[in-house]
Amino acid sequence: AIQMTQSPSPLSASVGDRVTITCRTSQDIGSDLAWYQQRPGKAPKLLIYAASRLQSGVPSRFSGSGSGTEFTLAIGSLQPEDFATYFCLQDHNFPLTFGGGTKVDIK
Amino acid sequence: QLHLQESGPELMQPSETLSLTCSLSGDSTSSSDQFWTWIRQSPGDGLEWIGNIYQSGSTYYNPSLNSRVTISVDTSKRQVSLSLKSVTAADTGRYYCARGRYYFGMDVWGQGTTVIIS
Repeated sequence: AIQMTQSPSPLSASVGDRVTITCRTSQDIGSDLAWYQQRPGKAPKLLIYAASRLQSGVPSRFSGSGSGTEFTLAIGSLQPEDFATYFCLQDHNFPLTFGGGTKVDIK
Repeated sequence: QLHLQESGPELMQPSETLSLTCSLSGDSTSSSDQFWTWIRQSPGDGLEWIGNIYQSGSTYYNPSLNSRVTISVDTSKRQVSLSLKSVTAADTGRYYCARGRYYFGMDVWGQGTTVIIS
């Protein structure tokens, strides 16, 4: 199975900060990576698919980049509703695998 | 707009078979580019993919669940089902169903249902 390594965890930041989260994979997955946001008690929400495509309805302060084995999720200016846990998911090979998650909390 | 709703038992005993249902409502669920997936999350833990089922009926499961898992679709009832045999405490968690689309990822999720094995 493809191993997913997410960093940092946790991540402490303030409203207005630009933050970046990295996901590294154990093998080349092209652009077959998605990013999800999960708020406490809620289901994950798709933010980014195909490494860099913004899901409809997701604010433009979210962006994704990368290919191959290293990927980044950036939040341009952190808003109060962005304090949550973020996961990456590779859908290049079965079994699909998630990163361990990055909890973004208030500094 | 597509809506997914999971349902099933909240409390089970070890060795029993877990059966969960994901009820689909709203938009068309027969589009050929769609598939259905089950994902679970242990308390305070990360996310684990369980398996996918495609419009063709093909299924793919997580090897970590060995041969305990079965996913099926009842198109007439607009339901996706998950069966997990011989459950243990390690199967405790919140179970989600989601709609996936090729290239576009898993874009619609149910709210999840909590299962406790004790």
